[in-house]
Amino acid sequence: AQRVTQPEKLLSVFKGAPVELKCNYSYSGSPELFWYVQYSRQRLQLLLRHISRESIKGFTADLNKGETSFHLKKPFAQEEDSAMYYCALPLYNQGGKLIFGQGTELSVKP
Amino acid sequence: ETGVTQSPTHLIKTRGQQVTLRCSSQSGHNTVSWYQQALGQGPQFIFQYYREEENGRGNFPPRFSGLQFPNYSSELNVNALELDDSALYLCASSSGPGQPQHFGDGTRLSIL
Repeated sequence: AQRVTQPEKLLSVFKGAPVELKCNYSYSGSPELFWYVQYSRQRLQLLLRHISRESIKGFTADLNKGETSFHLKKPFAQEEDSAMYYCALPLYNQGGKLIFGQGTELSVKP
Repeated sequence: ETGVTQSPTHLIKTRGQQVTLRCSSQSGHNTVSWYQQALGQGPQFIFQYYREEENGRGNFPPRFSGLQFPNYSSELNVNALELDDSALYLCASSSGPGQPQHFGDGTRLSIL
């Protein structure tokens, strides 16, 4: 069955520290994966997708098919990065339905 | 460009009642997906509408039903409300099935 797992509910780091938010998936086939972010009092928005291979707000994510992971990384966390982060797997044979992980709350302390 | 809008923002109902939630899709989008987000969980797919037809459904009972209108706006109806239906209901629109989804702010439904 298709599944997305985010093992950490809360990740707390100090400003300037590196950040890695973990995401593991279960999917037979070649997946595409997304990271969505929800800042306080804002709507869920797409942060990045692995297929575009871009860095958004300093964040990058690499798809590791061997480890079935898509961890989100940033070398130097900023206070404005504090938010809920969701990893999501789109099922294109089901209209692009998104399978979300449980989410990780990132708290960046000054 | 107008984004996805949902109404109402908050709603309180009692067990057994029925509720209708509304979603206006982003301009140019013909596909609407609905998700339920329970407290502390990620969103769970309920169903999707594409050009007024249901185009996929998640693991939700038939008392969850929907509609899409010719202007691509959509409704989510839930009958015989249960306490476990308390959640944030999110609507997302896209320019087609499989295209990036843009989310609304959600409707928070509380069941007493």
